[in-house]
Amino acid sequence: GAVVSQHPSRVICKSGTSVKIECRSLDFQATTMFWYRQFPKKSLMLMATSNEGSKATYEQGVEKDKFLINHASLTLSTLTVTSAHPEDSSFYICSASNTDTQYFGPGTRLTVL
Amino acid sequence: GQQLNQSPQSMFIQEGEDVSMNCTSSSIFNTWLWYKQDPGEGPVLLIALYKAGELTSNGRLTAQFGITRKDSFLNISASIPSDVGIYFCAGLDAGGTSYGKLTFGQGTILTVHP
Repeated sequence: GAVVSQHPSRVICKSGTSVKIECRSLDFQATTMFWYRQFPKKSLMLMATSNEGSKATYEQGVEKDKFLINHASLTLSTLTVTSAHPEDSSFYICSASNTDTQYFGPGTRLTVL
Repeated sequence: GQQLNQSPQSMFIQEGEDVSMNCTSSSIFNTWLWYKQDPGEGPVLLIALYKAGELTSNGRLTAQFGITRKDSFLNISASIPSDVGIYFCAGLDAGGTSYGKLTFGQGTILTVHP
């Protein structure tokens, strides 16, 4: 199947700092990428849909000024958590779509101290 | 947001037993996907179903896309310890403002005892 990478896999940061997470589709071009957040033993919660060359579409309740998404190319989308707080600590997962299937990255564990 | 009804929520089985889990929805989907997630990892696609009534196998896994397009099941035969994980069903929206979005089930936590 298609391969999606995420970097970093784990990050620990201080409260008030910003953290950038990269999502790359390694062997296919993805016009659409998705960002999810997942709490322990829970299902994935969609945060936003990222389309190459246009603004991201955020789900209800997700602050777009806090979770900045940039989809600069057909193989790269980034999520920046700005002014992170402990409640932002979570597992963030991206996926890349090739029209009829979504392939997920390995996830990024964010811990905000 | 909308969520699929996935059951059971958890299963504890002996190695070698067969497993069955299913998902139902009040909405129609054009594509059903089944994923497995190991702890600390992203979901991995197991089976994709694109046609109502379709029955697809992938090794010991078999999944079917319900004829009404509102349900799907996943069977695992002769379970082994590495089958442990969380299994998610997902329906893919194909139209309107939800184009390309996945709607997930709550997940089935599978534990296999050797």
